[in-house]
Amino acid sequence: RKEVEQDPGPFNVPEGATVAFNCTYSNSASQSFFWYRQDCRKEPKLLMSVYSSGNEDGRFTAQLNRASQYISLLIRDSKLSDSATYLCVVIPGQAGTALIFGKGTTLSVSS
Amino acid sequence: NAGVTQTPKFQVLKTGQSMTLQCAQDMNHNSMYWYRQDPGMGLRLIYYSASEGTTDKGEVPNGYNVSRLNKREFSLRLESAAPSQTSVYFCASRDNREQYFGPGTRLTVT
Repeated sequence: RKEVEQDPGPFNVPEGATVAFNCTYSNSASQSFFWYRQDCRKEPKLLMSVYSSGNEDGRFTAQLNRASQYISLLIRDSKLSDSATYLCVVIPGQAGTALIFGKGTTLSVSS
Repeated sequence: NAGVTQTPKFQVLKTGQSMTLQCAQDMNHNSMYWYRQDPGMGLRLIYYSASEGTTDKGEVPNGYNVSRLNKREFSLRLESAAPSQTSVYFCASRDNREQYFGPGTRLTVT
């Protein structure tokens, strides 16, 4: 099992749609979790951290289920500008400070 | 505050040539990283440096060497470039919460 696995995508949705991405991680001792966003031919940038209690930032909601080792990202009212690749990121408990990245899920929002 | 800078932005090498990718950060971060990104493979860690004076191998270190010159700078060297090293290379640094990436170097080895 890969350390961090994401939905394969791509997700093609119309403007205004709600879309959810899922991610599973294999190391139960993992400490911290994030979603990063990467635009085409650009560097990844932090979208939001994921907290155990779940957290929301505008149209974006992140959830963590430690028992199932599962992370999700929900985007409501999709905008054209949300088109990007979304990377699930985990910091494993024992592996120093290196972050583990999923391969990413591509979202394309169309008008 | 420039964040993480990388040079060059683009590079074409012939097989067997050597080159060094430069990376610098001005955020006083202890940890720095080198990744490569290939289509369908995601970001793969080449080497990282948890603090000045230390370096550790990541997932794909073969064919690369690194130097943590000082707290600001972390360079990646290809001693004898191979076509399999054609990729986009990202440098990053990290504070307690967030990892910041440079704009990337697009390297082609022919």
